[in-house]
Amino acid sequence: NAGVTQTPKFRVLKTGQSMTLLCAQDMNHEYMYWYRQDPGMGLRLIHYSVGEGTTAKGEVPDGYNVSRLKKQNFLLGLESAAPSQTSVYFCASSGFSSTDTQYFGPGTRLTVL
Amino acid sequence: GQSLEQPSEVTAVEGAIVQINCTYQTSGFYGLSWYQQHDGGAPTFLSYNALDGLEETGRFSSFLSRSDSYGYLLLQELQMKDSASYFCAVRTGGGNKLTFGTGTQLKVEL
Repeated sequence: NAGVTQTPKFRVLKTGQSMTLLCAQDMNHEYMYWYRQDPGMGLRLIHYSVGEGTTAKGEVPDGYNVSRLKKQNFLLGLESAAPSQTSVYFCASSGFSSTDTQYFGPGTRLTVL
Repeated sequence: GQSLEQPSEVTAVEGAIVQINCTYQTSGFYGLSWYQQHDGGAPTFLSYNALDGLEETGRFSSFLSRSDSYGYLLLQELQMKDSASYFCAVRTGGGNKLTFGTGTQLKVEL
C-alpha cells in the first residue's frame, strides 16, 4: 500500500498562473481533505469531501477549487495563483468511523512569485 | 468557531518526561487528537481521546478532560528522535473534520 500520495512534490508558479495538485489514496477511504500549512501556524482545512462526487468548504476555501470524480482521487485547483498561496499543501484521507484517524500525504511545497 | 492553545516550544533532556498541554474552545466536540510532525515531513497520528481519561500507547500517553476543555500529551523516556512538532486537533462535526492547534516544537537535548 502506498497510502496517500501527492503530485507534484514541489512547484514554482508566477502570479496569475493556474495549477492542479493531485492527491491519491489506496485505502478505500470515504473522506478526503486538503490542508495548507504556513510557518508558525497549524494545518488549516481548505476543502474536504465525504464521498465521490461531493465537496465542501473548510476554513480557508477562497482562491481554491476541488473535485472528487473518483473515490481514490481528490484534486485541488488554483485558478489564478497569488503570493499569499505560497504554502505547503497536505492531502489526507480517513475512513468514515468517528474513531478513524486521518492519514496524510507527503505534501506539496508551492511557491508563487 | 474553534480555537486551540498549546505552548509554542518545549525543551527537555533525553530520558526525561515532558507534558504538552492543549486547551480548546469549540462548538461541537467529538474528541481530541494528537499528531507528530518532523521537519519537512507529514503529520502522523499519535493518539485520540473521545472520552475523559488517559490513553496509553507505548511511551506516549494522552489525557482528556471534557469538562475543562483540556488535554495533554505525555512523552516518557524521551529520545532524540522525539524532537518534532506536536499538534493537538479537535474533531468537530461531520466528515471527521479536524481543527489543528498551531503546534508545539519539542527539542530534546543530550
